[in-house]
Amino acid sequence: SQTIHQWPATLVQPVGSPLSLECTVEGTSNPNLYWYRQAAGRGLQLLFYSVGIGQISSEVPQNLSASRPQDRQFILSSKKLLLSDSGFYLCAWSNTGGNTIYFGEGSWLTVV
Amino acid sequence: GQQLNQSPQSMFIQEGEDVSMNCTSSSIFNTWLWYKQDPGEGPVLLIALYKAGELTSNGRLTAQFGTTRKDSFLNISASIPSDVGIYFCAGLLSGNTPLVFGKGTRLSVIA
Repeated sequence: SQTIHQWPATLVQPVGSPLSLECTVEGTSNPNLYWYRQAAGRGLQLLFYSVGIGQISSEVPQNLSASRPQDRQFILSSKKLLLSDSGFYLCAWSNTGGNTIYFGEGSWLTVV
Repeated sequence: GQQLNQSPQSMFIQEGEDVSMNCTSSSIFNTWLWYKQDPGEGPVLLIALYKAGELTSNGRLTAQFGTTRKDSFLNISASIPSDVGIYFCAGLLSGNTPLVFGKGTRLSVIA
């Protein structure tokens, strides 16, 4: 069966520090991968999605970037965090051409 | 861009009551999905609908894909305390387009 795992689960970072959140999917090949952000008590905002290695689509201009160095690995990064980057970050996957998306456990980021 | 209107935003109900929430869109979707999110966790898929008019159940949950393909509803029968959480609808046009999410319905169940 397919599984998705993201880490770290929580982190507290100072303003101006770098960020790296990692997500991996097991049990499937060539998945579509997604990064979402959820501010406290708010809905889900799509940040990036990828349909293949090295292919990244950005939905919202921001202080963040994404990379897909391997088929089942998706990384969310920032060179210098802002206070407004705080939130709950969710990785998700779907099969290629699939119409059902599954989420990871989420990562809480607090920028102080 | 596409938008989903999900209502109500929040609900407070007594344990044992039935719950109904819905999503509407100005454009059509080919897939409707319903998720539940517990605090501090990722959303979990409850029901997926792939065909207009489709009615699907998952235990006490029932969801329908509207015949116009622009709406969907989720019903929860005989609510229990563990139903508490945020319920999201999501629409998908095709497999390689991003999901469009509603803003969620926050459900509180009073024992």
